[in-house]
Amino acid sequence: AQKVTQAQTEISVVEKEDVTLDCVYETRDTTYYLFWYKQPPSGELVFLIRRNSFDEQNEISGRYSWNFQKSTSSFNFTITASQVVDSAVYFCALGTGFQKLVFGTGTRLLVSP
Amino acid sequence: NAGVTQTPKFRILKIGQSMTLQCTQDMNHNYMYWYRQDPGMGLKLIYYSVGAGITDKGEVPNGYNVSRSTTEDFPLRLELAAPSQTSVYFCASSYTRTGENYGYTFGSGTRLTVV
Repeated sequence: AQKVTQAQTEISVVEKEDVTLDCVYETRDTTYYLFWYKQPPSGELVFLIRRNSFDEQNEISGRYSWNFQKSTSSFNFTITASQVVDSAVYFCALGTGFQKLVFGTGTRLLVSP
Repeated sequence: NAGVTQTPKFRILKIGQSMTLQCTQDMNHNYMYWYRQDPGMGLKLIYYSVGAGITDKGEVPNGYNVSRSTTEDFPLRLELAAPSQTSVYFCASSYTRTGENYGYTFGSGTRLTVV
């Protein structure tokens, strides 16, 4: 069975702080894919990143960075110098070649000015 | 491109009523899905389809039905609505190429309240 755990239910930071959202996954498949989605207060789900199990390189996109570690089954997401517009619920998800995604329960990030 | 379009955006139903949530995509994706999102519970898969004429149950199918007569459309039917079906419903689609998983394109969601 596949499972995604986002242990942090809610995180509150002040603008310009760095924040890391944790994601731990479980799967027996050797080929799998990890995703992060953002759900802002408006409610839509926005794709942020996709990573396959064979690519452990960390990725940076502007203020966003992702740390994939197969040894600890983690795919953590860091926002550097957070901004109020980063306030949202963030979901980590796991998928295989069979396409269905399993989602974590989400982490609500509140960035105050 | 419109992507994935869901209608309606909001709906209030009375207990026992029925309704259909519409979902259509214009990306020629072969896979389509229905999820429900409850507060603090993440997204739970209700039904999915791997192509026209093929559907299968997800994690929480009870109280729902689906059909997939065309590649574009994947409606979700609620029969005899119950308060437990109060939720936000998301339709999504995806495609595969050489077996890889590229993730989903989501619709904007339908907020359903059963009273």
